[in-house]
Amino acid sequence: DTGVSQNPRHKITKRGQNVTFRCDPISEHNRLYWYRQTLGQGPEFLTYFQNEAQLEKSRLLSDRFSAERPKGSFSTLEIQRTEQGDSAMYLCASSLVGTTNTGELFFGEGSRLTVL
Amino acid sequence: AQSVTQPDIHITVSEGASLELRCNYSYGATPYLFWYVQSPGQGLQLLLKYFSGDTLVQGIKGFEAEFKRSQSSFNLRKPSVHWSDAAEYFCAVGAYNQGGKLIFGQGTELSVKP
Repeated sequence: DTGVSQNPRHKITKRGQNVTFRCDPISEHNRLYWYRQTLGQGPEFLTYFQNEAQLEKSRLLSDRFSAERPKGSFSTLEIQRTEQGDSAMYLCASSLVGTTNTGELFFGEGSRLTVL
Repeated sequence: AQSVTQPDIHITVSEGASLELRCNYSYGATPYLFWYVQSPGQGLQLLLKYFSGDTLVQGIKGFEAEFKRSQSSFNLRKPSVHWSDAAEYFCAVGAYNQGGKLIFGQGTELSVKP
């Protein structure tokens, strides 16, 4: 079990640029989540996938944000035309949901975005 | 509205002293409750979880939590704190029919004095 892996760990970009984060979940997990965490706050739900289907998106996920999980394995989160308010830690989590839905999420170490 | 409140933003305890971190929730459905810990620059690690049954649950690193439905609380406790317990602690609530989506509190930062 290699855990949830996120890349890059840190990204510094200028306002207006596009950025993409990648998440590799635990291999047998069928659900994948994206959360955003700003300084001094708890994580806030952005979106989640069941296999390759995106089942829910938060209102926090503006049109500039898009997430994909094309083959039901890794996922990408792209932010277009970044704004300073996008500066945050982006956390990915995965879980295995089946006949026993324990709801336990396993988190990666996060990708920290700084928009200058 | 669904929410989680952690009333204490920052707590300092002496090493070896007991610890209690408070968590109150507001949730319409039968809740699943979690405590996660986060060290600086790291992701979140699950300490313990409550789904049903015994309201006192044991977790890793000597932590335990008690679910009190009448008080809508899920407080985290540890009888003797170690310096390595210094971290940010998050309480979270979810439900079976919510797709695993968790709502987190704003966290409590724990400092440990030698």
